[in-house]
Amino acid sequence: ETGVTQTPRHLVMGMTNKKSLKCEQHLGHNAMYWYKQSAKKPLELMFVYSLEERVENNSVPSRFSPECPNSSHLFLHLHTLQPEDSALYLCASSQATGRSGGETQYFGPGTRLLVL
Amino acid sequence: AQKVTQAQTEISVVEKEDVTLDCVYETRDTTYYLFWYKQPPSGELVFLIRRNSFDEQNEISGRYSWNFQKSTSSFNFTITASQVVDSAVYFCALRTDGGATNKLIFGTGTLLAVQP
Repeated sequence: ETGVTQTPRHLVMGMTNKKSLKCEQHLGHNAMYWYKQSAKKPLELMFVYSLEERVENNSVPSRFSPECPNSSHLFLHLHTLQPEDSALYLCASSQATGRSGGETQYFGPGTRLLVL
Repeated sequence: AQKVTQAQTEISVVEKEDVTLDCVYETRDTTYYLFWYKQPPSGELVFLIRRNSFDEQNEISGRYSWNFQKSTSSFNFTITASQVVDSAVYFCALRTDGGATNKLIFGTGTLLAVQP
C-alpha cells in the first residue's frame, strides 16, 4: 500500500449505531488530520494530531471521537450521529510542523458516510 | 482574517481549450503558503502544487501552469489544451505561518467539466 488509505470507502449507519473510520498513512509522516466535506461547503478541518498528540479540535461535537494510537494510524469513532453528519470524511497526513510551515498534506480517498 | 475565494463555481469547456481557474486569497501574514488540489469524482484530493510567499516565479508542469501575483493576492491555475481527464473539482488553499497545526484554509472549489 502506498500513500494514505481509508476504510471503509462507503458507510451507511443508523443514528443509534457505533462505527469507526480508519486511516493509515504509508508516507513516514507524523501529523494526521480529519476533514469533513459536505455538499456546497468548504472543507472543514475537524482534528489534527501531531506526534500523536491532538493539537486541534475545531469545535467538533462529542459524537465524533478521534484516536491516534501511533503516527501511522488515525481513527474516527462515530456514535449517535445525525443525518446532517452525512458527508465525505477525508484523512490527510504531513510532516509535523513547527514554524517551518507549509508542509504539504496528502489526502486519502475518503469515506462517504450516510446517516439514516 | 484569512480567506480563500474561488469565485468560479463551475466552468465547462470543450476538449483542447485552455482554461484558467481563479484563486484570490486574503492574509495579513508576510509568510504564507498556497496550494492547489484536484478532486476527481473518486473523492481523493490530489496535491498539485505548493508555493511560498517569497517565491513569485510562475511555474509550469506539462499542461499545467500557475501564476502567482502578490500585488493582486492571486494564485491562478491554467490548464492548456484541456482533456476529459481534467474534469474534477479544483481547490485552492492557504496556509499561514501563524501556528503549529498546519491548518489549511480551503476555497469552495471550482468544478471543471471538460466535454469531449
